[in-house]
Amino acid sequence: DTAVSQTPKYLVTQMGNDKSIKCEQNLGHDTMYWYKQDSKKFLKIMFSYNNKELIINETVPNRFSPKSPDKAHLNLHINSLELGDSAVYFCASSPFLGHVQTLHFGNGTRLTVT
Amino acid sequence: AQTVTQSQPEMSVQEAETVTLSCTYDTSESDYYLFWYKQPPSRQMILVIRQEAYKQQNATENRFSVNFQKAAKSFSLKISDSQLGDAAMYFCAYSGTGNQFYFGTGTSLTVIP
Repeated sequence: DTAVSQTPKYLVTQMGNDKSIKCEQNLGHDTMYWYKQDSKKFLKIMFSYNNKELIINETVPNRFSPKSPDKAHLNLHINSLELGDSAVYFCASSPFLGHVQTLHFGNGTRLTVT
Repeated sequence: AQTVTQSQPEMSVQEAETVTLSCTYDTSESDYYLFWYKQPPSRQMILVIRQEAYKQQNATENRFSVNFQKAAKSFSLKISDSQLGDAAMYFCAYSGTGNQFYFGTGTSLTVIP
């Protein structure tokens, strides 16, 4: 069983389109994240949710909107896609405070905007 | 915010030899965790090793070990008996209070047959 699963694995789309990436974790973790990895491999936190509540919202364009219907799911919707949005997007989860902290990653979604 | 610095963008090692990847961090917290993650070409992020700051003993996982120097805020990764499968990007990461994880810029490791 995959601990953190995200779909799709690859996403190719044109500028101006709207797309979503879905993420689910079956680890019972309280906290979920979205990270963006650019072409230089730098990992940047975008959002973090704890029990469906937004706790980290880094400087990310308003075109990016996370949605957490329950603590096992954190989806990412992107409006009006731009060339600069091309990257690998990772979903991750971790237990909340009081537990041994480890970040568990999904396998990533490679987004290509043409 | 805490910062994590990896000063070696690229490293190479001969197969079966030992290599050490460097990492320093900046924090005012006393309780935190440090990690090394491996990202092979498949892009999967794999936890290599974890160190709790309150533990003085250096963590070890098979061929992977760390040298944790809390006062110097240094956390290096040693890979012994390097194998071709060790070739990957290695990221050092920090996590303290607030459940936030901060990553370094990565070190690309090449293993030479």
